[in-house]
Amino acid sequence: NAGVTQTPKFQVLKTGQSMTLQCAQDMNHEYMSWYRQDPGMGLRLIHYSVGAGITDQGEVPNGYNVSRSTTEDFPLRLLSAAPSQTSVYFCASSFRDRPSRGGYTFGSGTRLTVV
Amino acid sequence: AQSVSQHNHHVILSEAASLELGCNYSYGGTVNLFWYVQYPGQHLQLLLKYFSGDPLVKGIKGFEAEFIKSKFSFNLRKPSVQWSDTAEYFCAVKGFSGNTGKLIFGQGTTLQVKP
Repeated sequence: NAGVTQTPKFQVLKTGQSMTLQCAQDMNHEYMSWYRQDPGMGLRLIHYSVGAGITDQGEVPNGYNVSRSTTEDFPLRLLSAAPSQTSVYFCASSFRDRPSRGGYTFGSGTRLTVV
Repeated sequence: AQSVSQHNHHVILSEAASLELGCNYSYGGTVNLFWYVQYPGQHLQLLLKYFSGDPLVKGIKGFEAEFIKSKFSFNLRKPSVQWSDTAEYFCAVKGFSGNTGKLIFGQGTTLQVKP
């Protein structure tokens, strides 16, 4: 099924551990992005990419790294997890500058807890 | 900078009541506008979107929204809500700047519909 696939769905980390949240899409979307969702804060943009090899910071990039080596994949790395990074993370993708092709497609989310 | 503000954080309605959720954005250029819904325990789903043309947009499940450019608003409406509309609603704006538009979300509005 076409869409955005996020793994894992749940993760518990200890403070200071590192991990990578995976995001893959098979719709040939140029634009991919990562959000975190926290109560009362809505979804805040962490990093985004407009194509392979191109990434940029969003609203809350600190503590996160990304890379985009292929069109399909956009992993999010936490280098040293902190309790403040406990959140639900969503990956989204869309066509870059063809809005008539539709809106964004979201993954099902990764619930991360840092203890 | 691009920003989105949702006026109501928590709305409680009885079934059959009318709904209007406010959304204002800040961006001086061309925008695409979206409303997403997140049912409990689920990921985001697109309710409706505005790209161009008729400023009154109809979406799924009887929702509609009106884009008023002079007021930078995109309010969501439904004439008669149902218990199944209980969810969190997010307004989002994609501003186009050099073809690297970012999708920015409001804080969200939690709607509780009492049977």
